[in-house]
Amino acid sequence: AQKVTQAQTEISVVEKEDVTLDCVYETRDTTYYLFWYKQPPSGELVFLIRRNSFDEQNEISGRYSWNFQKSTSSFNFTITASQVVDSAVYFCALRSLRNTGKLIFGQGTTLQVKP
Amino acid sequence: DADVTQTPRNRITKTGKRIMLECSQTKGHDRMYWYRQDPGLGLRLIYYSFDVKDINKGEISDGYSVSRQAQAKFSLSLESAIPNQTALYFCATSDRGLVYGYTFGSGTRLTVV
Repeated sequence: AQKVTQAQTEISVVEKEDVTLDCVYETRDTTYYLFWYKQPPSGELVFLIRRNSFDEQNEISGRYSWNFQKSTSSFNFTITASQVVDSAVYFCALRSLRNTGKLIFGQGTTLQVKP
Repeated sequence: DADVTQTPRNRITKTGKRIMLECSQTKGHDRMYWYRQDPGLGLRLIYYSFDVKDINKGEISDGYSVSRQAQAKFSLSLESAIPNQTALYFCATSDRGLVYGYTFGSGTRLTVV
């Protein structure tokens, strides 16, 4: 079965704190892609990152970083020095060949960054 | 113009009414999808279409129907709307490969009263 779990429903931090959003996935496929999307209060879905199953290198983009660990089936997202504009719902998602390429989403984590 | 356009952006309708949500795309993608988003449940797949003649049910298709009028158009219908269909609906497109994710529309916020 294909599944994505984001156990943290809501997280609240104060501006400038670091915060990590957890994502755990399940798949039997050896080839798959993992994604993170951001949904700001305006509602649209904003693509943040894509990572394929053969590339376990961590990624850093400005204040954002991602830690992909196949051994624990996790793809965690860290925001360093959070800002109020980071307040949003964040979704982790999985796409694999076994699932005919459909994108499976986690439940989402609502991040609130307080000034 | 947006790559994936959903209309309307917001809609309030009454219980029992038929309503259609429309989606059109300029990406040239074969595959199109309809998701609904509910708080705490993430996005769940309603229907998907891999080409004009290939339409498939997703995990929550009951109460919904779809029509793929052309490669670029994929409509979602609620034959008889009920309040628990109040949600944010997203249309998305993708190519056949796995490499890329989806291109999403801006969403349609539907309220059934």
